[in-house]
Amino acid sequence: KAGVTQTPRYLIKTRGQQVTLSCSPISGHRSVSWYQQTPGQGLQFLFEYFSETQRNKGNFPGRFSGRQFSNSRSEMNVSTLELGDSALYLCASSPGLGASIYNEQFFGPGTRLTVL
Amino acid sequence: GDSVTQMEGPVTLSEEAFLTINCTYTATGYPSLFWYVQYPGEGLQLLLKATKADDKGSNKGFEATYRKETTSFHLEKGSVQVSDSAVYFCALSSGSARQLTFGSGTQLTVLP
Repeated sequence: KAGVTQTPRYLIKTRGQQVTLSCSPISGHRSVSWYQQTPGQGLQFLFEYFSETQRNKGNFPGRFSGRQFSNSRSEMNVSTLELGDSALYLCASSPGLGASIYNEQFFGPGTRLTVL
Repeated sequence: GDSVTQMEGPVTLSEEAFLTINCTYTATGYPSLFWYVQYPGEGLQLLLKATKADDKGSNKGFEATYRKETTSFHLEKGSVQVSDSAVYFCALSSGSARQLTFGSGTQLTVLP
């Protein structure tokens, strides 16, 4: 079974631009969660999509948005990029909603975003 | 809100040494607890998990016991290998949302 794939793997943007990251979940998984990983703040939850609806959201500004398609693939968009948005963005897929020992989240390799 | 406090790193050990990485948590309700591992250039992999007091999660020689009285979930391995070099994250999920809350991560380097 193929794992979670994220594209692109690396991205360089300049301040003020916008960016879209893509995540393809494991076949059959209906939930996709997004996380931001930075050296200073660690791993922080951005949002979770299930059946094309955002079900849960972390404490990030409105510049961070996402969506999920009918095939469960998800995209994350960041508008008006700031230097502090430089991070590794990880997505995770799971069969159902939320993270628990009965609903494991499987992580992709991440997209490394650098904002100059 | 929920939080996870993890032992500061980095940790450097010789092969076959004993490993302990401390993890304590604060959560409303009764959280599920996890350890994830991140190898260079890769995403996170679930290492082990536990859902109730005194549960012991184990995998690949790693163990952690859910201690409700001390709100802890320390990771241990009796004999580390060079291939265990990675970053280890303690995490919890709780409440109705059940999103993962992570600790800061501990970089482990094992020398031959």
